[in-house]
Amino acid sequence: QVQLVQSGAEVKKPGASVKVSCKASGYTFARFGMSWVRQAPGQGLEWMGWISPYDGKTHYAQRLQGRVTMTTDTSTNTAYMELRSLRSDDTAVYYCARDPWYHQERSGWLTQGGQYYFDYWGQGTLVTVSS
Amino acid sequence: DVVMTQSPPSLPVTLGQPASISCRSSQSLVYSDGNTYLNWFQQRPGQSPRRLIYKVSNWDSGVPDRFSGSGSGTDFTLKISRVEAEDVGVYYCMQGTHWPITFGQGTRLEIK
Repeated sequence: QVQLVQSGAEVKKPGASVKVSCKASGYTFARFGMSWVRQAPGQGLEWMGWISPYDGKTHYAQRLQGRVTMTTDTSTNTAYMELRSLRSDDTAVYYCARDPWYHQERSGWLTQGGQYYFDYWGQGTLVTVSS
Repeated sequence: DVVMTQSPPSLPVTLGQPASISCRSSQSLVYSDGNTYLNWFQQRPGQSPRRLIYKVSNWDSGVPDRFSGSGSGTDFTLKISRVEAEDVGVYYCMQGTHWPITFGQGTRLEIK
């Protein structure tokens, strides 16, 4: 069955970086995208960006441009999200979620279909930014 | 960005009674392929979001049929025919038609 298993909680100081991992199993990793979503304490859900494991193509939320980098390792079926220059308002639970859109250099934008849109989520990783 | 507006923000409901949550988008969610990428999620306390409904009205596996989704264009609704205790949590709509993907601000369902 499909599973997304994330790395453990992190505590960071302001200005530091954090890298969260999301290991996928139970499906063909390169045939789906991966989105990252975060949730500040007591707040709603915020989409951070997307990556296509097939060719590494990314699309980031405007407000995080320049601070976030998403990567994948297809040899281990793992997606990574790195956030730099951490601030206190980056304190949140970070989730990975399977996305049906992926990109192939020759074929362009492809999708596995709308039924797979955010159908599976990781368990979440709490990142606390505090001095 | 597409703004998703949910109402009400809080929804106290008596057990066994129906509940309805509205979600409106600032622009049409019909994609060029003809699909409308509007999903509904439930988030119970301390848990990851769980998808209930995809593409407006399609149930996810294991979702009770007391949940239903409807709507088109910019106006969407999630209905629960008879609320049960396990339905307590926050409900979010999400649009995946336009980048960036955006969520509604959430509706907190509680038992009266």
